[in-house]
Parts: sequence; structure tokens; C-alpha cells
Amino acid sequence: EAQVTQNPRYLITVTGKKLTVTCSQNMNHEYMSWYRQDPGLGLRQIYYSMNVEVTDKGDVPEGYKVSRKEKRNFPLILESPSPNQTSLYFCASSLQLAGFDEQFFGPGTRLTVL
Amino acid sequence: AQKVTQAQTEISVVEKEDVTLDCVYETRDTTYYLFWYKQPPSGELVFLIRRNSFDEQNEISGRYSWNFQKSTSSFNFTITASQVVDSAVYFCALSWGPGGGADGLTFGKGTHLIIQP
Repeated sequence: EAQVTQNPRYLITVTGKKLTVTCSQNMNHEYMSWYRQDPGLGLRQIYYSMNVEVTDKGDVPEGYKVSRKEKRNFPLILESPSPNQTSLYFCASSLQLAGFDEQFFGPGTRLTVL
Repeated sequence: AQKVTQAQTEISVVEKEDVTLDCVYETRDTTYYLFWYKQPPSGELVFLIRRNSFDEQNEISGRYSWNFQKSTSSFNFTITASQVVDSAVYFCALSWGPGGGADGLTFGKGTHLIIQP
């Protein structure tokens, strides 16, 4: 089944404790991205990647890192999480650039930073 | 800069009523793409439609229809004979072609649709 998977789905952590949210897609998509969703703000892009070893900042990259060592994986790293990073996070992928193809979204990761 | 405005934060209607969700966008690009996504209470994002800027034909899919008007920069979504299962948050989103870069979707803030039985 074609899908985007994220792990964990739920995470409660404390300020400053490094964490990684994994994202994997099995559709051989080139384009992957991360969004965060906050009440009243909709979804905002954090980082995106057009292909392996190619990543770039989105609208709200502060406090986040990403890597794209393999085509299928695009982990989101929070080196020192803070409470303002409490949010619902979505990973997405598409065959090509976001505009040309439907973006497939993962199920979301709900992160709480205490 | 791109912008998507969904002015209706929340809409509540009674089942079987028709309801229209408004979406107004701003972009300087001539090639762009418009999307609607549904987010049910379970939280996942469900793709509903994609429309490119050169295709102004309205689209109908069952009880759903979309009205794209470049003259008013709007891409409105209508649900006919609404059902309780339509209750969700609906997002309108915008993306543009390669001339504008490789960024992802610009989302509106969403409209929370409540269908009362």
C-alpha cells in the first residue's frame, strides 16, 4: 500500500531533550516536506527536500533540522525542543514538486513539549 | 508573496443543507495550483481536489463541487445536501510552478465545518 508513515504518532517530552520524528514513504517520491499545524494558523512548512541530499528551509525552520540521506526517509530533528514547538506535525511527499502532484500526507505526529 | 485566506473560521449547518466554503488566494505567478484538503476529527489530511491556474472549469464530484474564478482569485467549495460525516476542518492551499521556486503548499487557516443532525 502506497503510504507515508511517521513515528511516533504521539510524543510527550521535556524541554531540551533531543528528539527525532521519522518519516518514510514507499512511493519513490522525490519531493518530501514537513509541516506543523497549530490552531488558528493552518499548516506551515518547516523544511522541504527536492531529492537526496537537497534540503531547504520553509516558512518556519527555526529550531528544526532535517536530513535526506535516502530517498524514502526524511527525519525531522529537534535538537533542543521548547514548549513553542508543541504542535501537530505532518510529513508529506509527492512525485515531483509540490505544485505538480498531489502531496501525500502522513498520519501526523502530535508532539507536546513540557 | 503567496497568501490563502479562508475567512470563515467555523460554519455550522443542519444536515441536508448546502454549504459553501470560501477560499481567496493571492499570488503573482501565472502558473499555480489550488488544492482542497479535508481533515476529519481523526486528524489525517485527505486530498480532495487539485486545480491548475489554466483550468477554470468548475468541477463536480458527487455532492462536492468547486468554483474557480480567476477574476476574483477565488476557489470556493460547495457541499450539497451535507451529511454529518462531512464534519471536518477544510483547508484550501496554493502552490506555484517552477518559476516561483520549489516551496510546498501555502495553506489557509482552515474552516471548521460542523454538520448537525
